Amino acid sequence: NAGVTQTPKFQVLKTGQSMTLQCAQDMNHEYMSWYRQDPGMGLRLIHYSVGAGITDQGEVPNGYNVSRSTTEDFPLRLLLAAPSQTSVYFCASSYSIYTPYNEQFFGPGTRLTVL
Amino acid sequence: AQSVTQLGSHVSVSEGALVLLRCNYSSSVPPYLFWYVQYPNQGLQLLLKYTTGATLVKGINGFEAEFKKSETSFHLTKPSAHMSDAAEYFCAVSDQSGTYKYIFGTGTRLKVLA
Repeated sequence: NAGVTQTPKFQVLKTGQSMTLQCAQDMNHEYMSWYRQDPGMGLRLIHYSVGAGITDQGEVPNGYNVSRSTTEDFPLRLLLAAPSQTSVYFCASSYSIYTPYNEQFFGPGTRLTVL
Repeated sequence: AQSVTQLGSHVSVSEGALVLLRCNYSSSVPPYLFWYVQYPNQGLQLLLKYTTGATLVKGINGFEAEFKKSETSFHLTKPSAHMSDAAEYFCAVSDQSGTYKYIFGTGTRLKVLA
């Protein structure tokens, strides 16, 4: 049971480049989400999904796209990278977002630098 | 809308001393509260959570938190700090507007001095 996995661990991009951050979970969780972590700002929700084929925007969605074609995978796409997207990105999953006590399980993170 | 405030972005304690990390919440309904810990270069993991019932919640690694409705607080404590407790700690509350997404505080970095 690998839990939540993320690739790559580190990435450096130039402004205007695109890339996809990968996230997978093997716990059969319905809910998956992407956060970005910036100093002094905690974790902010980018996009989330409550099941395959269903996604929605979080607090800071601009500049990012997501899709959920399977229960296991939830990739995050940066279409035109900007320096403001330099951050640490975390993927998380939980059994359901419709129960109040749900524990979220986090991946190890991807550290992204945009030059 | 729910929110959490963590007072003190950095806290230093001596090894063996009491750890106190502060979290205050704002909620118009009974809140669901969580504390997560992030060790260096790792993801977050759950320390403890408050749902309903007992106001003193015990978590992993000797941590506990007390829910005080009158003070709208959910402070995290540990009687005796260990070097391995050095990490960043996040308080979170469940949003209750149809789903239970997390709303995180800004985090408190704990440093333990030898």
